[in-house]
Amino acid sequence: GENVEQHPSTLSVQEGDSAVIKCTYSDSASNYFPWYKQELGKRPQLIIDIRSNVGEKKDQRIAVTLNKTAKHFSLHITETQPEDSAVYFCAAIGGAQKLVFGQGTRLTINP
Amino acid sequence: DTGVSQDPRHKITKRGQNVTFRCDPISEHNRLYWYRQTLGQGPEFLTYFQNEAQLEKSRLLSDRFSAERPKGSFSTLEIQHTEQGDSAMYLCASRRNRDLKTDTQYFGPGTRLTVL
Repeated sequence: GENVEQHPSTLSVQEGDSAVIKCTYSDSASNYFPWYKQELGKRPQLIIDIRSNVGEKKDQRIAVTLNKTAKHFSLHITETQPEDSAVYFCAAIGGAQKLVFGQGTRLTINP
Repeated sequence: DTGVSQDPRHKITKRGQNVTFRCDPISEHNRLYWYRQTLGQGPEFLTYFQNEAQLEKSRLLSDRFSAERPKGSFSTLEIQHTEQGDSAMYLCASRRNRDLKTDTQYFGPGTRLTVL
């Protein structure tokens, strides 16, 4: 079955700098890759997603890139703000229709 | 609020007791998923329904766990003879049928279970 690896597990950046979180997946049949943000005690919330027929997608300060050949995808947050502090999860979904999540990255934005 | 809702939000029980959680998906979302999340980990898939049919169950879902979606709307997850290892956040998510080319799963607030 699908396996998703996420790095780093923790990331600390200065406010205004960029943050990058990387994930790799194992199942070449996976075709949808969402990113969720989860604040302490709250539900995971979708922040951006990408399908396998697209290499890059951007939404304001957030972008996701996908390399199907290498089976990895990355989340890029530019001009980070204190409210970006949270745990971020990547996930992959394929024929099995279930989300397989990475282990999560705790992002801390230092003022 | 038209999002996914779950009840209760918190449940504390003693080992050996049975518990039942409820999930109400977004209206017209015919796919409903249950996930379990332990502290510091990503959510893990448990099971999912398309309408009232339970289509897949994870091997994480032991015989003590059962899920239903009798009318294709809300779903219940029951855990019998709870164990301390069952302590976790139980998350529900819903999405539209794949035919509409919408893969996004929307999560509920979760039910946090503590087994003493």
